[in-house]
Amino acid sequence: DTGVSQDPRHKITKRGQNVTFRCDPISEHNRLYWYRQTLGQGPEFLTYFQNEAQLEKSRLLSDRFSAERPKGSFSTLEIQRTEQGDSAMYLCASSLSLLYNEQFFGPGTRLTVL
Amino acid sequence: AQKITQTQPGMFVQEKEAVTLDCTYDTSDPSYGLFWYKQPSSGEMIFLIYQGSYDQQNATEGRYSLNFQKARKSANLVISASQLGDSAMYFCAMREGPRDDKIIFGKGTRLHILP
Repeated sequence: DTGVSQDPRHKITKRGQNVTFRCDPISEHNRLYWYRQTLGQGPEFLTYFQNEAQLEKSRLLSDRFSAERPKGSFSTLEIQRTEQGDSAMYLCASSLSLLYNEQFFGPGTRLTVL
Repeated sequence: AQKITQTQPGMFVQEKEAVTLDCTYDTSDPSYGLFWYKQPSSGEMIFLIYQGSYDQQNATEGRYSLNFQKARKSANLVISASQLGDSAMYFCAMREGPRDDKIIFGKGTRLHILP
């Protein structure tokens, strides 16, 4: 099964540390999305890429957050100087078609900031 | 104002019964898409069904159907013959406009199927 994969699945860090997550989309998908999901809420959009271009960023994405997709394949999401409020599930999704926009999600990375 | 409203935080349904999960949405864009996703305890979001705003017929996918009432801005998910494995969080979501790629999710409904 070559679905969306994310690494690591779980990350525990101390406040103030930097963390980086990786997402590998479905190979033929040119769009890649990052969402954040906190307990009891639905996922919230953070940013998305079409190929290597970052086309939209949510206002939720503070200056401490940066995302890249350097070769239009995998993507990384880095959080600098983590805060306890960053604790959440970070979900990655990919899609192929704009009109339908069925997004396939990965298993997520659960971040806990102590 | 919330774009997607799911008014049922939790539901309990007997196995083999049909269940309807409510969803209302708010948009002024004539072109939009509506989705339902299932999130089991493992955390992965599983796509269930899609309805486009211009689709004439209600979408169906196996045991899932979407009761699309455009004038009421309602997109309820109907699960027929519920199974124990249907126990999960269910999210209604919307894509606005032909060029907007992001999906806006509701807060979800937790469905419990009772044996």
